[in-house]
Order: sequence, then C-alpha cells, then structure tokens
Amino acid sequence: KAGVTQTPRYLIKTRGQQVTLSCSPISGHRSVSWYQQTPGQGLQFLFEYFSETQRNKGNFPGRFSGRQFSNSRSEMNVSTLELGDSALYLCASSFRGDTGELFFGEGSRLTVL
Amino acid sequence: AQSVTQLGSHVSVSEGALVLLRCNYSSSVPPYLFWYVQYPNQGLQLLLKYTTGATLVKGINGFEAEFKKSETSFHLTKPSAHMSDAAEYFCAVRKDSGGYQKVTFGTGTKLQVIP
Repeated sequence: KAGVTQTPRYLIKTRGQQVTLSCSPISGHRSVSWYQQTPGQGLQFLFEYFSETQRNKGNFPGRFSGRQFSNSRSEMNVSTLELGDSALYLCASSFRGDTGELFFGEGSRLTVL
Repeated sequence: AQSVTQLGSHVSVSEGALVLLRCNYSSSVPPYLFWYVQYPNQGLQLLLKYTTGATLVKGINGFEAEFKKSETSFHLTKPSAHMSDAAEYFCAVRKDSGGYQKVTFGTGTKLQVIP
C-alpha cells in the first residue's frame, strides 16, 4: 500500500508570494491533517479535513487555508508569505474511527526569502 | 484542554545503555497515547500506541512504553540503545470530543547515541 505522498518536497519562495502544497493520503484514509514543524515551535496543528469538510483548526492566521477533494487528496495554501512561514509542512492521513494513528508523509520544506 | 509534556529536549546515552524518554499528559478522560520517531528530513513514523487493555505496550525496534494512569505518564524505554536509534521522538495524545479528533504532540526529545 502506497504511503502518504507530499509534493513538492522542497520549495523556495519570496515574501509576499503564495504557495500551494499537496498531499495524497493512503488509499482508504479519509482524514487528512496538516502540521507545521519549526525548530522553535515544534509541531503545530494547522487543520484536519474529513469528507471534504474542515473538522478542526489550529491557531493560525487566515493566510493559511486548505481544502480536501472528493478523492481525499488535500491541498493547503499559504498566501502573502512571511519569513516566519519557513518550515517543514507535514501531512498525515488516518482512518478516522479507529485508534486514529497518523501516517505521515515526508513533508514539504518551505523556505521563504 | 489536553497537553503533553516531554521532559528533556535532548537526551544522550551510550550505545548499549538504557534509553528512557519521559512523557506526561494531562487529559480529563483516558486518552489514546502514541510515540512517534522522526529521522532527519523525514516525516514521523509510529513507534507504538496505547488505546485500551494492557498498559505495557511493545513497539517496533525494541521500544516499549508503559501507561500509568495514576502518574499520567507514558514513558518510552529501550533496554539497549543502538546507533540507529538516534532521532527525535515525539509523544502524542489523541482525544475525541464532539466528533472532532485532535492530536496534540509534545515538543520532542532528540536522542543522541554515543559510541
């Protein structure tokens, strides 16, 4: 069974630009969560999607948004990038309803210059 | 609100020594508890999990953890450290409330294994 796939793996943007990251979950998983990981803040929860609906949201500004498609693939978007948005963005999928263990992708490393 | 506390952001052990990584949680109801490991430039991988039943949980790579409700702890141990165990370890707690699933991670502990 293929794992969670995140694209792109690495990207460099400049301040003010916007970025879209993609996540393909494990087949059969309908829940997708996004996390931001930085050395200073650790793993911060961004949002969770299930059945194309945002079910939970972390404490991030409105510049961070996401969506989920009918095939459970998810995208997150960050608009008006700031230097502090440089981070590893991790996507995780799970089969909601069981113990809910998360299966992570390798992440998208965003550098904002 | 639930939270997870990992004592020690960095832990160093000698190869062959006992590994002990500490995790305490706060939760108003019995939670689901997890330990994840992250190797450099990779995502997180599940080591083990506690849901219900036996409080001593065995995971991959020789790791195990014991759920102690009275101490609200879920410490991770391994009898003998190997060089390949050098990584960052995250304790996490999941709580379901009102149809929402929320997983909270600790701040992580970087394990260094000294030859």
